[in-house]
Amino acid sequence: SAVISQKPSRDICQRGTSLTIQCQVDSQVTMMFWYRQQPGQSLTLIATANQGSEATYESGFVIDKFPISRPNLTFSTLTVSNMSPEDSSIYLCSVEGRGEETQYFGPGTRLLVL
Amino acid sequence: GENVEQHPSTLSVQEGDSAVIKCTYSDSASNYFPWYKQELGKRPQLIIDIRSNVGEKKDQRIAVTLNKTAKHFSLHITETQPEDSAVYFCAASDDYKLSFGAGTTVTVRA
Repeated sequence: SAVISQKPSRDICQRGTSLTIQCQVDSQVTMMFWYRQQPGQSLTLIATANQGSEATYESGFVIDKFPISRPNLTFSTLTVSNMSPEDSSIYLCSVEGRGEETQYFGPGTRLLVL
Repeated sequence: GENVEQHPSTLSVQEGDSAVIKCTYSDSASNYFPWYKQELGKRPQLIIDIRSNVGEKKDQRIAVTLNKTAKHFSLHITETQPEDSAVYFCAASDDYKLSFGAGTTVTVRA
C-alpha cells in the first residue's frame, strides 16, 4: 500500500483561527478523501478531494468551513476555518488502493481548539 | 445515504476465545465491506474486506461473512490474543464513499 504522511501531526489552536493540514502520498492516486474522527467516535467522511476540480462535500460539511485543495495526484490540503472548540478532532486523509475501493489512512492530525 | 449499525459497542473476551462483531447496512447498492482495526492513538488499519459477490472470506484467525439479502456482515476473530485488543470499525461503500459503523471496543483478557 501507499505511504501516506500528514502534517502537522498535532496542533493546539485558538478559536477563530484557521489551520491547514497537508496530506502527501508517495505514489499517484486518483481518489483522496478527508475524514473527521471526533474524540471517542467513529469516522465521518468530510469530502472527496478531486484533482483539477472542486472537492465533493458530504452532507453537513461546507466549502467555506473546510476548503480543500488537490493540486496534483500525490498531495491534498484540508483547511479548518474559523475554528471553535467543537472542531477539536482527529482529521485523517485516506487514499484508494491501486484502483480498488480499498482505502488506506494517513496517521491523522490531532487538533485541539481552545 | 448509507447507514451502518454495529454491535456490540464493547466486547470483552477471554484470551483464546472467539469474538464476533455484527454490522447491518441500509443501502442495497453498497458492494464493498471493509473492516478496520484502530489501536489507541493510531490510524485505522484495514484488516480484511469482502465484496458483494463473495459470501465469506478468511485470513488466518479472522473471517468475514456477508449476507446481502439480509444486509448484514460480521467479523469473526478466533483464538483471540492480547494484541487483538483495539477498536474495530465496519464500513460499507458504494462508489468509493465509506460509511462507518460506530465501532466496537474489544478487550482480550489474559
